[in-house]
Amino acid sequence: NAGVTQTPKFQVLKTGQSMTLQCAQDMNHEYMSWYRQDPGMGLRLIHYSVGAGITDQGEVPNGYNVSRSTTEDFPLRLLSAAPSQTSVYFCASSPDRATPQHFGDGTRLSIL
Amino acid sequence: GIQVEQSPPDLILQEGANSTLRCNFSDSVNNLQWFHQNPWGQLINLFYIPSGTKQNGRLSATTVATERYSLLYISSSQTTDSGVYFCAVDDYKLSFGAGTTVTVRA
Repeated sequence: NAGVTQTPKFQVLKTGQSMTLQCAQDMNHEYMSWYRQDPGMGLRLIHYSVGAGITDQGEVPNGYNVSRSTTEDFPLRLLSAAPSQTSVYFCASSPDRATPQHFGDGTRLSIL
Repeated sequence: GIQVEQSPPDLILQEGANSTLRCNFSDSVNNLQWFHQNPWGQLINLFYIPSGTKQNGRLSATTVATERYSLLYISSSQTTDSGVYFCAVDDYKLSFGAGTTVTVRA
């Protein structure tokens, strides 16, 4: 049982490049979410999913796309990276809305 | 969305001291969680506490939902307690506070 696995752990991109951050969980959780953490701030919700085939926007969705084709995976796509997207990205999952979320270890993304 | 405010923003403690962190939120919530982010950046879930009081070792938390606040108590602090403590509310679409940075000195 690996929990929530995020890859890669670190990445440096150039402005305008595209990239997919991977998130996988092996706990059969229906709910999955992506957050970003900027210096001196708490985490902010980017997108979330309540089950395969269902996604919705969070507080800061602009510049990011998601899809949920399977229960296990919830990738986050940056179509054209911008320096403002430099951040630490966390993925989380939970079996239902009333259960605490499990967080991955994060992906540190720098965009030059 | 729900506003979450944490205080104080920074806290410096001598090892062995006790402390209280506060979390205020702007609306009624079904879920409140406390997290510890360690120096390696990992988020550790401390408490799921939408109401009432819970204890886990030297840590305890109390949420008064009707008055929209929660408190996290750290007793007999240790250097390993250093890090950032976050309060977050609202089920699977969590809204986080800005955190309290705790530094425990030996």
